[in-house]
Amino acid sequence: GNSVTQMEGPVTLSEEAFLTINCTYTATGYPSLFWYVQYPGEGLQLLLKATKADDKGSNKGFEATYRKETTSFHLEKGSVQVSDSAVYFCALTSNSGNTPLVFGKGTRLSVIA
Amino acid sequence: GAVVSQHPSWVICKSGTSVKIECRSLDFQATTMFWYRQFPKQSLMLMATSNEGSKATYEQGVEKDKFLINHASLTLSTLTVTSAHPEDSSFYICSARRTGVNTEAFFGQGTRLTVV
Repeated sequence: GNSVTQMEGPVTLSEEAFLTINCTYTATGYPSLFWYVQYPGEGLQLLLKATKADDKGSNKGFEATYRKETTSFHLEKGSVQVSDSAVYFCALTSNSGNTPLVFGKGTRLSVIA
Repeated sequence: GAVVSQHPSWVICKSGTSVKIECRSLDFQATTMFWYRQFPKQSLMLMATSNEGSKATYEQGVEKDKFLINHASLTLSTLTVTSAHPEDSSFYICSARRTGVNTEAFFGQGTRLTVV
């Protein structure tokens, strides 16, 4: 079956540091890959996505590249801000809309000034 | 704007009472919606899949009589926590996906339930 493994953290960085959150997956077929972000007390928001191999998703300075050869979708940002403090979830689907996404366990990021 | 709206954002209730949480898809029809529970500093736990016009599918270990799900229309699913107890206190989140393969999921804002 499909599964997602991501580094669990917590990750603590100083402002303007480089961020990498690793995510690897196992999936049948040709999955789409997602990163979601959850700010304190809120639901999840889609941060970025990639639908096929070698696609790069990007948004708000975050990037992730769909690497089929390494089954990875690592999240990166060149210079984090305090406002990026949140929980980040890697997810995938290779199924129709009547099945839930498969999520990793989430990585808590704290950025300190 | 929000594609999936969840209400209420927070609720406090007394032990033994029931609480209803609503989840609405605002700009698409959702034949299927998903309900999650999240404990503090933990990941999402899928509770059940809500199916329009039919019974919900519950994950193993989730009490269907405790967490009643109704999906009466293509835009509304409700989760009712019956006879709530303090251990039911948690953050509940709903989600829906558009029809099609490999579509993204949209999430409600979440409901913080506190049972006193």
